[in-house]
Amino acid sequence: AQTVTQSQPEMSVQEAETVTLSCTYDTSESNYYLFWYKQPPSRQMILVIRQEAYKQQNATENRFSVNFQKAAKSFSLKISDSQLGDTAMYFCAFMTPRSNFGNEKLTFGTGTRLTIIP
Amino acid sequence: KAGVTQTPRYLIKTRGQQVTLSCSPISGHRSVSWYQQTPGQGLQFLFEYFSETQRNKGNFPGRFSGRQFSNSRSEMNVSTLELGDSALYLCASSPGRGGYSRDEQFFGPGTRLTVL
Repeated sequence: AQTVTQSQPEMSVQEAETVTLSCTYDTSESNYYLFWYKQPPSRQMILVIRQEAYKQQNATENRFSVNFQKAAKSFSLKISDSQLGDTAMYFCAFMTPRSNFGNEKLTFGTGTRLTIIP
Repeated sequence: KAGVTQTPRYLIKTRGQQVTLSCSPISGHRSVSWYQQTPGQGLQFLFEYFSETQRNKGNFPGRFSGRQFSNSRSEMNVSTLELGDSALYLCASSPGRGGYSRDEQFFGPGTRLTVL
């Protein structure tokens, strides 16, 4: 079974600073996807960034980037120039696709509560 | 395009009752997944439906069931409610077309269920 571990329950950082959230996972699969989801207070969960395991290049989305270390099974999220709107719970998630259509389950970590301090 | 909608947003029930939650996916999406979110257990996968068929199921007791209709709308039902069923129930939809885009799941706002 796959497991996802987020070892930082809470973090806080000053606005405009850079912060890195950690995530490790355990799997015996060779083909999988990794995700970071953001859940703002009382708001919907949204996808921040995703990474395909077969791609060596780290994914980036504007101020968000990942450091994907496949051998170490590590998938950290870096937020640059942090903004007040980045305050949220951040969940690392894992998925192994097994079919051509439909979706497979996401396995989530326990989350990191990130607070951006003005 | 409208996002994933879930009804009701809040629900209060008592132990032993049953409850039905509804999820309307994004138009054109064929896959609907359900998750339970609690402070203690985090986010846990309940089940996934695709074209009216349950394709995947998590480790929940049989009191938790679901179904999907021909328009891709989905319902989940919890019978004989227990205090531990109090949670935020999230629904997520996905295109199910295959390829890169299928892997993103779009989440609804959730239904917060409180069992007294």
